[in-house]
Amino acid sequence: DAGITQSPRYKITETGRQVTLMCHQTWSHSYMFWYRQDLGHGLRLIYYSAAADITDKGEVPDGYVVSRSKTENFPLTLESATRSQTSVYFCASSESTGYASTDTQYFGPGTRLTVL
Amino acid sequence: AQSVTQPDIHITVSEGASLELRCNYSYGATPYLFWYVQSPGQGLQLLLKYFSGDTLVQGIKGFEAEFKRSQSSFNLRKPSVHWSDAAEYFCAVGAKYGNKLVFGAGTILRVKS
Repeated sequence: DAGITQSPRYKITETGRQVTLMCHQTWSHSYMFWYRQDLGHGLRLIYYSAAADITDKGEVPDGYVVSRSKTENFPLTLESATRSQTSVYFCASSESTGYASTDTQYFGPGTRLTVL
Repeated sequence: AQSVTQPDIHITVSEGASLELRCNYSYGATPYLFWYVQSPGQGLQLLLKYFSGDTLVQGIKGFEAEFKRSQSSFNLRKPSVHWSDAAEYFCAVGAKYGNKLVFGAGTILRVKS
């Protein structure tokens, strides 16, 4: 049971380039999330998705785009990377059967992105 | 909107000593509260969560947390720390609806032998 995986684990790119971070989960969880982790800020929600083709903004969505054509995949794209987007990115999923925040979120191992 | 404060950025304890990590939250209604742990280079793992009922919650790895509404706190405790507990700990609060969490900045725990 692979659970939730992220690729790549490490990425170095240059300012202005487009970058896509992949997230895949094998549980068929309905909810998926993207967070960024920065020192002193903890984890901040970028985007989330309640189901295929349903996405919504989180706390820090600017500069990011998401899509969810299949339940198991939730890619995050930086359309034109900036240095401020250097961070560790975590994907998470939860088996929510409703709209409550009670469900455990399961996290992937993270992608460390450096923008030069 | 909800928010979480973890006042301690770093804490160092001796192996075998007791541990308490502080968490204060801000939310207008009854919060849903979580503690997650992140080992170096890993994703986050849920330690425990509180929704309602008994205010003392037991979690994995011997951790427990107590919800105190009057103090808006949800402190994490462990009676005897092991070297393998060295990690970063995050407190999070969720609203009743919306399936979104707000995380604190984290507390890095160091364990000395």
